[in-house]
Amino acid sequence: DQQVKQNSPSLSVQEGRISILNCDYTNSMFDYFLWYKKYPAEGPTFLISISSIKDKNEDGRFTVFLNKSAKHLSLHIVPSQPGDSAVYFCAATPKTSYDKVIFGPGTSLSVIP
Amino acid sequence: DAGVIQSPRHEVTEMGQEVTLRCKPISGHDYLFWYRQTMMRGLELLIYFNNNVPIDDSGMPEDRFSAKMPNASFSTLKIQPSEPRDSAVYFCASSLRDRTYGYTFGSGTRLTVV
Repeated sequence: DQQVKQNSPSLSVQEGRISILNCDYTNSMFDYFLWYKKYPAEGPTFLISISSIKDKNEDGRFTVFLNKSAKHLSLHIVPSQPGDSAVYFCAATPKTSYDKVIFGPGTSLSVIP
Repeated sequence: DAGVIQSPRHEVTEMGQEVTLRCKPISGHDYLFWYRQTMMRGLELLIYFNNNVPIDDSGMPEDRFSAKMPNASFSTLKIQPSEPRDSAVYFCASSLRDRTYGYTFGSGTRLTVV
């Protein structure tokens, strides 16, 4: 039973445009959310996070939005660059197990020059 | 800092053999995690340690899997005996207590059991 879902396995976006990656979760105990980026043959790298007490967090070109009532979050990348082409994992941690991060299956983003 | 170091990068072994994967976390990080990535199941948490003590091993698939952390700078994940369905990329990650900064992952070990 997948607690963190990323229903789009892949996404293609033109360079300069906005990339929107979506994530849904089922566990209402999740209270902290993270996005990781992964290049081939490398480990995932932490990108940005958001606490459940917020609905938006921004870091440069990356913004994460959280809609708790819908149990949905999204990552916006503006403007998209070819170097952003990677697999993006949505992840979440529950209040009850602060240290345990549950990952979604990932979305492969291709930014076309 | 060199980051989280995993060895070997690739391992090919025959079914039934023992496999040992190694990890050196970032100095000062007090959490260490072992994850496995497969096409079917994505990134699964196998086990994690806090201050060298195993906290949650509920993700360890079977008794064939074991993990140790004898000191703050070294951990091993052992599979004995290995089976073809264990083929995957195994990641080690470390972190501080403050989850604001997420985990730091190693580059992974790609295990192929034939």
